[in-house]
Amino acid sequence: DTGVSQDPRHKITKRGQNVTFRCDPISEHNRLYWYRQTLGQGPEFLTYFQNEAQLEKSRLLSDRFSAERPKGSFSTLEIQRTEQGDSAMYLCASSSQRQGASGANVLTFGAGSRLTVL
Amino acid sequence: AQRVTQPEKLLSVFKGAPVELKCNYSYSGSPELFWYVQYSRQRLQLLLRHISRESIKGFTADLNKGETSFHLKKPFAQEEDSAMYYCALSGAGGYQKVTFGTGTKLQVIP
Repeated sequence: DTGVSQDPRHKITKRGQNVTFRCDPISEHNRLYWYRQTLGQGPEFLTYFQNEAQLEKSRLLSDRFSAERPKGSFSTLEIQRTEQGDSAMYLCASSSQRQGASGANVLTFGAGSRLTVL
Repeated sequence: AQRVTQPEKLLSVFKGAPVELKCNYSYSGSPELFWYVQYSRQRLQLLLRHISRESIKGFTADLNKGETSFHLKKPFAQEEDSAMYYCALSGAGGYQKVTFGTGTKLQVIP
């Protein structure tokens, strides 16, 4: 296992185009998070999954953003009709949540997918 | 709502000097607090968490519920400590999202 993998590492697109990012978590981790990070800011929560269930989605996300984790393994984050304000680093993280375990909220991060919208 | 505040964007200290990175939080329930670190060109990674009560790379952090703080401390800074440090908060129990602060850049001057 090579840790959390994200693809692509860098995406340049024109305004109005759709983009999709993929995240492969650590195989035994059942929880998966998406964050967005812009320059000078900390990771901003977008959404997270417990297995295939999406438990919470940030109110900051517009309807242009959607995330899926259909089989409880990898996840995709799609941004439709991209805007220049969507330019950011999109981070994926995973953790292992077992009832009663103390490591549920310890996140392992991927390297991120950098989006540039022209 | 849960919120994490890191008041300093940049903290510069000389090598060998003590370090204190401030973190204050707002959370109505029982919190779980973390410090994450990002070294240059590396991934964000966990440094320590309050329930472990351990020292990692010489860093310690004590949860002060009265002052709602979780400051990160190290008695003698090393050059390799230069990095971005993020304080993070989650509700206890395992079914809560993790919220991050805006981060503090620690610069250790040789």
